[in-house]
Amino acid sequence: EPEVTQTPSHQVTQMGQEVILRCVPISNHLYFYWYRQILGQKVEFLVSFYNNEISEKSEIFDDQFSVERPDGSNFTLKIRSTKLEDSAMYFCASSGSPGRVRMSNQPQHFGDGTRLSIL
Amino acid sequence: SQQGEEDPQALSIQEGENATMNCSYKTSINNLQWYRQNSGRGLVHLILIRSNEREKHSGRLRVTLDTSKKSSSLLITASRAADTASYFCATDGVAPNAGNNRKLIWGLGTSLAVNP
Repeated sequence: EPEVTQTPSHQVTQMGQEVILRCVPISNHLYFYWYRQILGQKVEFLVSFYNNEISEKSEIFDDQFSVERPDGSNFTLKIRSTKLEDSAMYFCASSGSPGRVRMSNQPQHFGDGTRLSIL
Repeated sequence: SQQGEEDPQALSIQEGENATMNCSYKTSINNLQWYRQNSGRGLVHLILIRSNEREKHSGRLRVTLDTSKKSSSLLITASRAADTASYFCATDGVAPNAGNNRKLIWGLGTSLAVNP
């Protein structure tokens, strides 16, 4: 079964440094997402992406964050100048394959996440 | 209560017993999804129930949805030690532009421990 893959599984970075988290969504999916989960807290939506542009973003997704789909397979999240409070698990998800089921009723499929630790 | 709030927060049962977890939400939804997360791992999709459905089954899982009460339940029958995980409900809300790429809003989850 196709999977969403994320790399690296764990990233340790000094505060103020830039970090890029990488994701390979399921190949025929059209919608892409990033979420994060701070330890012990809820999963929080960051951003959704469709047709090479951001569809929606949360208040968390400020100017320090950006997303890119540089080629047909990768979907990246960049944090320009990391802060201590950016430490969290970051999950990539994808959804929306053309077919019989309405895309708005298709589940989002998640990767295993990248654990980001800011020192 | 907050959108996608589950109860109980923690549940400990013996293998073979049934586990029931509940979820409440506040806004209108298009669908509600249940996910499982093993410790330190990703979110695994279990089941999606649409707002016009009342009950759905998948193997040992049974999900109900009551849109009048804005609540859902997940029942795991004949539980196994391997079912030990955190279980989350997530609702998609109603997107501002009614598009297909709808963000999911999550609860804190129920931590289920199934003892052998």
